[in-house]
Formats: sequence, C-alpha cells, structure tokens
Amino acid sequence: QVQVVESGGGVVQPGRSLRLSCTVSGFTFSSYSLHWVRQAPGKGLEWMAVISYDGTNNDHAGSVKGRFTISRDNSKKILYLQMNSLRPEDTAVYYCVRVGIQNTYGFNWLDLWGQGTLVTVSA
Amino acid sequence: SYDLTQPPSLSVSPGQTASITCSGDKLGNKYIYWYQQKAGQSPVPVIYQDSQRPSGIPERFSGSNSGNTATLIISGTQAMDEADYYCQTWDSTTVVFGGGTKLTVL
Repeated sequence: QVQVVESGGGVVQPGRSLRLSCTVSGFTFSSYSLHWVRQAPGKGLEWMAVISYDGTNNDHAGSVKGRFTISRDNSKKILYLQMNSLRPEDTAVYYCVRVGIQNTYGFNWLDLWGQGTLVTVSA
Repeated sequence: SYDLTQPPSLSVSPGQTASITCSGDKLGNKYIYWYQQKAGQSPVPVIYQDSQRPSGIPERFSGSNSGNTATLIISGTQAMDEADYYCQTWDSTTVVFGGGTKLTVL
C-alpha cells in the first residue's frame, strides 16, 4: 500500500524542541522529494519545508527558517522535521507529503498526504 | 512573497455548477494545483497542472488558469463534494497555498 505515515507529535512546552518523523511504504523513498505542511486548528494549509529526493537541496518557509530543519536519511527511509524553540502558534497538525513526480525538486504537485501528527505547544 | 487569494466560502445547490476562484499576480504564467479536504481528513489532489485530473477523480472536476485567476469548476455538484478546497502554486522553490474555500452543498 502506497502511504506516508507521520509520528513524533505530542504536547510540548514553549521553547522546547520536538522531532517529527515520516516513514513510507509502497514506493521508492529515495526517488521522491518530500514536504512538510502544517494546519493549525480550524485554519488553512501552511507550507513548511521541502527536501529533494537525494537530500542535497532544501527550502524552508520564512516563518520557521532558523527554527525548523528538514532532513532525510535515505538509508533508513525516514524524513525528519526538527523543530526548535517551539511557540504556541506552532500548534498544528503536521503532514508529510510526497511530490507527484520522481527525481524532481520543485514545480510539482503534492500527490500523497499522510494522516498527520498533532503538535501542541502549551505550558 | 507571492499571495493567492480565494473566497472564504461558496454555497451551491446539488446539481449546480460550483466555480471556486484563486487569484494571484500573473497566475496564468504558473501552474496551479487544487486540493480537496473533507472534514477530519487529509487533503487530496483533485487537479494538477491547471487542468489535469489525477486518477480516480471524477470528470465533474475541471480547472482553468489564465491571466490573474485560476478556477476550479465542479459540474453537477454532489453532496459528497462538500469540503474545503485549496489552490497551490510555486514561488521560486517554495510552495504557496491559497487561504481555502469552504464549499457548502445545500
């Protein structure tokens, strides 16, 4: 079954760190660029970061640049989102998302979404 | 930064045509993508590259993009089409989403 599955969410205090993970099945992990997209409760989609299929390129949204870092381990087939200095406004469901075309980086559709993992930043 | 603007809400009767717009500067020069998100579920792509339908998406979903406006058209809207719809494009190497349109099928 072709799917992506996020994990690592939970409740964390402001200022602390959290690392999200995304594992996949049903397709070749190292052939696809991957994104993190978040959605605050009752709000719209907000793009967070993208990493190329080989891990050599990445980009982050301005709102989290310097605090969040996307990375991947193709040998373990895991995508990560390291989140530091968390704020209450980072509370959201975080989705791992695959791009629609193999071996490409940008200008692509987001064709496969996980179920998301909820991060709650609260004292 | 690049902005995409969508109407917050739209209501249609079953069987009518729903047209959801997405506006941005010279948007017609970019590809637009549309996602459907039903309550409590993850987003699902319904249109890619302006007007292409992914496998499994009904023919009643179509799209266009010209000038400063892209449009998602749902012909013969059904109750099951009630959802939030988001447009998306790329600005350099970053992804941009519209604010979303809540489609209500009355």
